[in-house]
Amino acid sequence: DSGVTQTPKHLITATGQRVTLRCSPRSGDLSVYWYQQSLDQGLQFLIQYYNGEERAKGNILERFSAQQFPDLHSELNLSSLELGDSALYFCASSVGWGTEAFFGQGTRLTVV
Amino acid sequence: DQQVKQNSPSLSVQEGRISILNCDYTNSMFDYFLWYKKYPAEGPTFLISISSIKDKNEDGRFTVFLNKSAKHLSLHIVPSQPGDSAVYFCAASARSSTLGRLYFGRGTQLTVWP
Repeated sequence: DSGVTQTPKHLITATGQRVTLRCSPRSGDLSVYWYQQSLDQGLQFLIQYYNGEERAKGNILERFSAQQFPDLHSELNLSSLELGDSALYFCASSVGWGTEAFFGQGTRLTVV
Repeated sequence: DQQVKQNSPSLSVQEGRISILNCDYTNSMFDYFLWYKKYPAEGPTFLISISSIKDKNEDGRFTVFLNKSAKHLSLHIVPSQPGDSAVYFCAASARSSTLGRLYFGRGTQLTVWP
């Protein structure tokens, strides 16, 4: 158990819909990262927050947004969903930045 | 722009032998390197890391070697066990920069057969 909690574990939704993925980091970790893993692909970095502020942005679509709340949990919002958004979405946390990040079990999103 | 590259998508090794997984990087600002292991339908698990001031770090059966001049690192697993079969991701970061996020390679699927 990495100490990072992601909910829900599975999500099935229709095209055009909006979903919210939630992440609770390890106790004491200030950085939260979001990654997307599509079928047979590597880990695509989406976005990083540190202590409530956005620190780095990857190839995150404009339809996607995220935030980190004062209690340090984070949410990833995906809207106007398309079939190609079906993927595993991972959240990770670390104490600072650039150090060991610990991953949650992921949310498997299926868009039908 | 892939700054961390794992050029071998797969590796097959017999149980008891050494597994060597390779990784190359392009950004000379990277100063911290990590290896993760991932089983299907699970999140990646941190294995071992190395700072750029070292050239070797060992933890049990796992050893990571860093060759800064060649911008190359490798993970050695000795002896390999069937439970080591997983996808291994190499990652790097520039802790000295204000960004310091992890950059991942595409992964190498290791299969250890009896």
